[in-house]
Amino acid sequence: QKEVEQDPGPLSVPEGAIVSLNCTYSNSAFQYFMWYRQYSRKGPELLMYTYSSGNKEDGRFTAQVDKSSKYISLFIRDSQPSDSATYLCAMKNNDYKLSFGAGTTVTVRA
Amino acid sequence: NAGVMQNPRHLVRRRGQEARLRCSPMKGHSHVYWYRQLPEEGLKFMVYLQKENIIDESGMPKERFSAEFPKEGPSILRIQQVVRGDSAAYFCASSTGLQETQYFGPGTRLLVL
Repeated sequence: QKEVEQDPGPLSVPEGAIVSLNCTYSNSAFQYFMWYRQYSRKGPELLMYTYSSGNKEDGRFTAQVDKSSKYISLFIRDSQPSDSATYLCAMKNNDYKLSFGAGTTVTVRA
Repeated sequence: NAGVMQNPRHLVRRRGQEARLRCSPMKGHSHVYWYRQLPEEGLKFMVYLQKENIIDESGMPKERFSAEFPKEGPSILRIQQVVRGDSAAYFCASSTGLQETQYFGPGTRLLVL
């Protein structure tokens, strides 16, 4: 079993729809949770960074962490074609080693 | 205000050759991390370095792979005697501290023929 599970999709939505992404994990020691966006042939770009359980909102993006269920989510409101990318969840405990999901490929259709 | 820089962006090697991947961290960042991304898989941690020190190389294969971050110049990931299974995207990240946000470079895509 992988340490971090993420549905690879692909996920295709019309412009303006809400995109819902999620990851599950098995290591209860994880405390820091991140979402990265990766455009084709580019490096991962940090979108959201949260500590422990709870919600965090930044513009059209909302990240949720439920440590009791070992489940994290990212919601993108009013999706735009420019949001088309691969979204990677990542997490770590108190050190530096990031554990990544495989990534979900999202296409927002104009 | 340049971000993390990696070169080359694409590298083609024949089996048995050596591959050298370079990473220049963001200005002010002294912590460097290397990750490997295989097709359909997430990024996997390989090694963590500070200037002139390898802190953690637990994710790096014991043979053929080595990394360094000298006092002057970029961090280098070296793969000797490459095999087809080494074909992947190699990403470098840097941070200001141990638990701080890691910022990623654009990656080097290695293809072994």
